[in-house]
Formats: sequence, C-alpha cells, structure tokens
Amino acid sequence: EVQLLESGGGLVQPGGSLRLSCAASGFTFSSYAVSWVRQAPGKGLEWVSSISGNGGSTYYADSVKGRLTISRDNSKNTLYLQMNSLRAEDTAVYYCAKDKDITIFGVVALFDYWGQGTLVTVSS
Amino acid sequence: EIVMTQSPASLSVSPGERATLSCRASESVSSNLAWYQQKPGQAPRLLFYDASTRATGIPARFSGSGSGTEFTLTISSLQSEDFAVYYCQQYNKWPPLNFGGGTKVEIK
Repeated sequence: EVQLLESGGGLVQPGGSLRLSCAASGFTFSSYAVSWVRQAPGKGLEWVSSISGNGGSTYYADSVKGRLTISRDNSKNTLYLQMNSLRAEDTAVYYCAKDKDITIFGVVALFDYWGQGTLVTVSS
Repeated sequence: EIVMTQSPASLSVSPGERATLSCRASESVSSNLAWYQQKPGQAPRLLFYDASTRATGIPARFSGSGSGTEFTLTISSLQSEDFAVYYCQQYNKWPPLNFGGGTKVEIK
C-alpha cells in the first residue's frame, strides 16, 4: 500500500526556517517524481515544487523560488522541503504527492497519491 | 502560463440529481487534464487523468470529457459521499503547474 507521511510543520515567525519531510512507502521511491502542493486555509490548491525520481531535475513556483528548496534522499525514501525566509503568505497545509507513472529523469506532475498534509503557520 | 478556470464556483444539487462541472484552460492542454476530489480535512483524491480515464476505484457514475481547452466532469446521480470540492489541473505545459479554483458541490 502506497503511503506518504508528512512531518515537520508547526508555528514559525516571519523570516524563520522550517524543514518538512515526507516519508514514502509501498512503492519504489527512486522511480517516481514527487512534488509539494500547498493549500492556504479555506483556499484552493497551489503547486509549490517538484523533483524527478533521481533528484536531477527540480522545479519551483515563482512565489517560492530562492526561498524554498526541494530535495530527496532515495536511500531513506524521503522527500524534503527546506523553507527559509518564511512569510505569512506561506501559511498553508503542505501536501506531498507522487507522480502516477514512473518518472526517473523528469516530472509529469499527475498525482495519484497524496499524503495527509502538515500545517505550516507563519506568524509572530 | 496556462490559467485554469472552473465554473461554477459552487453548485447546489439534491441527492440523486446530475451535476455538471466545467473547467476551461487559457490555451490548449490537449488531453493532459486531471480531476481531483477533496473532502473537508482530507487530501485530494485523483478521479480522472488524461481528461477521461477514470482512476482506480472511481465509481462509474463519474465521467470526464473534453480536450483542448474545454473539459467537463459529470456526476450522473449524486450520492451523499460525493459532496466535496472538485479541482481540475493541467499537466501539459508547466511550470507553473496550475490548478483550477475549484467547484464546491453542496447538498441542496
């Protein structure tokens, strides 16, 4: 059974940092691209970042470029999101999501499994 | 950047009735269009990909259609568990990867 379990969320002050993790199981993690998608309270879905299966290709939304960094450790079956210089508008539930098809070198960004999300609150 | 527009923003439907949700892309996305369902407090769930291919476990009362810039999600006979927010998402040309703003299907 495919499982994605996010952790690392919490309350952080503006300008602060946080690192989110997404532990994957039930599939060959290194064969699939994975992504972060966030949802501000009461709002819609917003794509944040994606990374290919081998970690060689990364993509970011303009709103987070230069502040958030996606990475993965395929030996630990874990996806990360390093969040620096956080702003109030980064407040959201952050979901990790897996590509539906094998994507070792690229990203399709069609998501067949999602984690339950971790809440990040940026506030003083 | 491809902008995805969903209509209506909300829809009130009685159980057993038909619901039709629309999604429009600002330029052609071919058939590279997905639909997701999200219930309160839950993660999104993939319903359709490639515009009309039902994902695993999705009931036949759900159908997806369209190509290019116009897409439709139809629920033929709404069940209580179908009341949720539905999002479309294109994966044809990105970044940025854009979702539609969502359609909330409510009980009438």
